[in-house]
Amino acid sequence: SQQGEEDPQALSIQEGENATMNCSYKTSINNLQWYRQNSGRGLVHLILIRSNEREKHSGRLRVTLDTSKKSSSLLITASRAADTASYFCARSGANSKLTFGKGITLSVRP
Amino acid sequence: GAGVSQSPRYKVAKRGQDVALRCDPISGHVSLFWYQQALGQGPEFLTYFQNEAQLDKSGLPSDRFFAERPEGSVSTLKIQRTQQEDSAVYLCASRARGPYEQYFGPGTRLTVT
Repeated sequence: SQQGEEDPQALSIQEGENATMNCSYKTSINNLQWYRQNSGRGLVHLILIRSNEREKHSGRLRVTLDTSKKSSSLLITASRAADTASYFCARSGANSKLTFGKGITLSVRP
Repeated sequence: GAGVSQSPRYKVAKRGQDVALRCDPISGHVSLFWYQQALGQGPEFLTYFQNEAQLDKSGLPSDRFFAERPEGSVSTLKIQRTQQEDSAVYLCASRARGPYEQYFGPGTRLTVT
């Protein structure tokens, strides 16, 4: 079963706008990771945030984590058409495996 | 350096056939994971190796699924007597020692007819 839930399920924005995606989870975590998947391809790791961190940046990406609310958000600033993909959050617990949500489909219109 | 590779990339099997899917992890990566991704869904965990030891196989859906990593490097996921519900993309990932990110291969798309 998938314990990470993302919202919205789908997001369509204009190039240059910011995209915010949210993820909630149910059990405790060691870290939370965000991945991108282009159609028909494997997953690409974007960013990892540890349970004792609240915010992390990587280029145009900003991730926040609120362990009290069991939620995380991924912000992509100044979006580009190439950002069009599915985005997944994945919870990593004590047992090393990743538990993924169903994903968010982001479409960035040129 | 080379990433995670998987073969074959596509596999069509008739129901009842056995299949074997191969994963070549990043050299030196201790941990190896297998996931199953159904269409429109996120990946779901199948099994996990640390070196040659299979530490968690709780996600394998039935005893028709078997995975091995005999020398702590290449891994094979075998599915016996395939069923239509086995149709999915099978993803392999490897990770260096520690709680770090996983690096995914391109996946094997299995279609059972």
